[in-house]
Amino acid sequence: DTGVSQDPRHKITKRGQNVTFRCDPISEHNRLYWYRQTLGQGPEFLTYFQNEAQLEKSRLLSDRFSAERPKGSFSTLEIQRTEQGDSAMYLCASSSGQGVNEKLFFGSGTQLSVL
Amino acid sequence: AQSVTQLDSQVPVFEEAPVELRCNYSSSVSVYLFWYVQYPNQGLQLLLKYLSGSTLVKGINGFEAEFNKSQTSFHLRKPSVHISDTAEYFCAVNTGFQKLVFGTGTRLLVSP
Repeated sequence: DTGVSQDPRHKITKRGQNVTFRCDPISEHNRLYWYRQTLGQGPEFLTYFQNEAQLEKSRLLSDRFSAERPKGSFSTLEIQRTEQGDSAMYLCASSSGQGVNEKLFFGSGTQLSVL
Repeated sequence: AQSVTQLDSQVPVFEEAPVELRCNYSSSVSVYLFWYVQYPNQGLQLLLKYLSGSTLVKGINGFEAEFNKSQTSFHLRKPSVHISDTAEYFCAVNTGFQKLVFGTGTRLLVSP
């Protein structure tokens, strides 16, 4: 068990550019979550997958954001036409267990800075 | 909608002193409550959770929390802190599956 892995750890980009982040969950975890954490705030839910199906998206996830989990394993989060307001830590988590026994395991996050 | 409020953005404390990090929740239905810890450059780690039953919940690293329905609180406590407890602590409430709603966090600063 190597934990949840996120790549890259840091990303600096210019406004208007597209960026893509990757998350590798713990193997056999069928749920995968994306959260966003801005400075001084707690993480905010963005979206989650049950296997390859994206089951819920937050209103925070504008049309410029898209997430995929094509084979029910790793996931990617793409932001198109980045804006300075997109600067944040993007956290991925995967989970084991069912119902109230579900437990999330978080990755270390990808820190995005939009200049 | 469910939400949590962490009133203290930062709590300084000396090593071996007791500490309490406050969390109040708002919900019209039954809640599941959590405390997570985030060490520098690391992901969030679950400290403890309240689902039902005993209102006193014990977690890892000597932390415990008490669910108080009448005061809608879930404060985190540790009788004696260590330097290594310096971190950001987040209270969270569950809104379905593990779609957690987090508070703004409390930075615990332990000094010698």
